[in-house]
Amino acid sequence: AQTVTQSQPEMSVQEAETVTLSCTYDTSENNYYLFWYKQPPSRQMILVIRQEAYKQQNATENRFSVNFQKAAKSFSLKISDSQLGDTAMYFCAFKPYSGAGSYQLTFGKGTKLSVIP
Amino acid sequence: ETGVTQTPRHLVMGMTNKKSLKCEQHLGHNAMYWYKQSAKKPLELMFVYSLEERVENNSVPSRFSPECPNSSHLFLHLHTLQPEDSALYLCASSQDPGGRTDTQYFGPGTRLTVL
Repeated sequence: AQTVTQSQPEMSVQEAETVTLSCTYDTSENNYYLFWYKQPPSRQMILVIRQEAYKQQNATENRFSVNFQKAAKSFSLKISDSQLGDTAMYFCAFKPYSGAGSYQLTFGKGTKLSVIP
Repeated sequence: ETGVTQTPRHLVMGMTNKKSLKCEQHLGHNAMYWYKQSAKKPLELMFVYSLEERVENNSVPSRFSPECPNSSHLFLHLHTLQPEDSALYLCASSQDPGGRTDTQYFGPGTRLTVL
């Protein structure tokens, strides 16, 4: 079974600054996907970024980028130029490529990020 | 916002009531999911339907009964719930269930309170 750990329950960042959210996971799978989802106070879970384990290049989406360290089983999210709209819960999630559990996203408990004006 | 809608957004029910949650996806996806989100716990997958067939049921109590009449609609029928079932229930859909390119898209959720 896979586990996902987000060790920072809450974080805050000044507007326009950069913040990094941590995520580690445990799996015996070699091929998998990793995700960061954002859940603003309105509750709609939104996909932020996705990383494929076989790709060495870190994924980027505008102000969002990841630092994927496969050997260390680490998948951190960096938010640059933080904006007030980035205030939300951020969830790290894992999904194996195939086999048992390939339908299932395994989530961490989340990090509550507050962007301060 | 993401093409997955859920109704109602809020629901309060007694333990003897019967109610249903509805989810509809407008993305042309082939799979739909129910998740439970409780305070200070990770999201828990409850049910998965792929092409209207149930493919996964994570040991959910029988007081929760899913129904998927077609690939666009998913229901969660509730009866004789317990107060510990109070939570946010999220629906999701995806195009390529269990596949390598699969990404799940979520609805806004139904906040359920069981009295």
